[in-house]
Amino acid sequence: AQSVTQLDSQVPVFEEAPVELRCNYSSSVSVYLFWYVQYPNQGLQLLLKYLSGSTLVESINGFEAEFNKSQTSFHLRKPSVHISDTAEYFCAVRRSGGYQKVTFGTGTKLQVIP
Amino acid sequence: NAGVTQTPKFRVLKTGQSMTLLCAQDMNHEYMYWYRQDPGMGLRLIHYSVGEGTTAKGEVPDGYNVSRLKKQNFLLGLESAAPSQTSVYFCASSFQGARREQYFGPGTRLTVT
Repeated sequence: AQSVTQLDSQVPVFEEAPVELRCNYSSSVSVYLFWYVQYPNQGLQLLLKYLSGSTLVESINGFEAEFNKSQTSFHLRKPSVHISDTAEYFCAVRRSGGYQKVTFGTGTKLQVIP
Repeated sequence: NAGVTQTPKFRVLKTGQSMTLLCAQDMNHEYMYWYRQDPGMGLRLIHYSVGEGTTAKGEVPDGYNVSRLKKQNFLLGLESAAPSQTSVYFCASSFQGARREQYFGPGTRLTVT
């Protein structure tokens, strides 16, 4: 079985400040890792994903996440947040091979303060 | 490309009433999913389908039924609604394979009184 833990349910941060949203997972086998973002009153959309290769992955809007196998973490970071980054962020994990369910974390609400 | 669409966007039901939520995707995805989202609980999988004519139970299937008669459509039914089914329901779809991301619809907000 796999699980995902997002320790922070809410993270307030001032505009232009850096932010880190934490995600830890557990799995006995290889996994793929995803970050999804949900803007108010919308569905989730993919922000970035780690499949293999370089442990640092980036999104088009300045977010990055680093896969750390030894610490079983996939934290999301941005060096300078904007008001438009206000949203809820979900970490997700999926085992490789055939159909495998996706396990989502409980989400972290990022509130960017002007 | 409309992506994933859901009908209706909002609905209020009385306990015991039935309804069907419709999900449609135009991306030729093999897999489709129904989730419910409740505060502090993330997304929980209700049912999923890996292809036309096939469905399977997820984490929280009780009280729901699904059908996938056409590849592009995935229906979620509530036969006898209960207040515990008050939630936001999301449909998603993806190509087959664990490496593929899911594409989500805009959601249906359901209230059962």
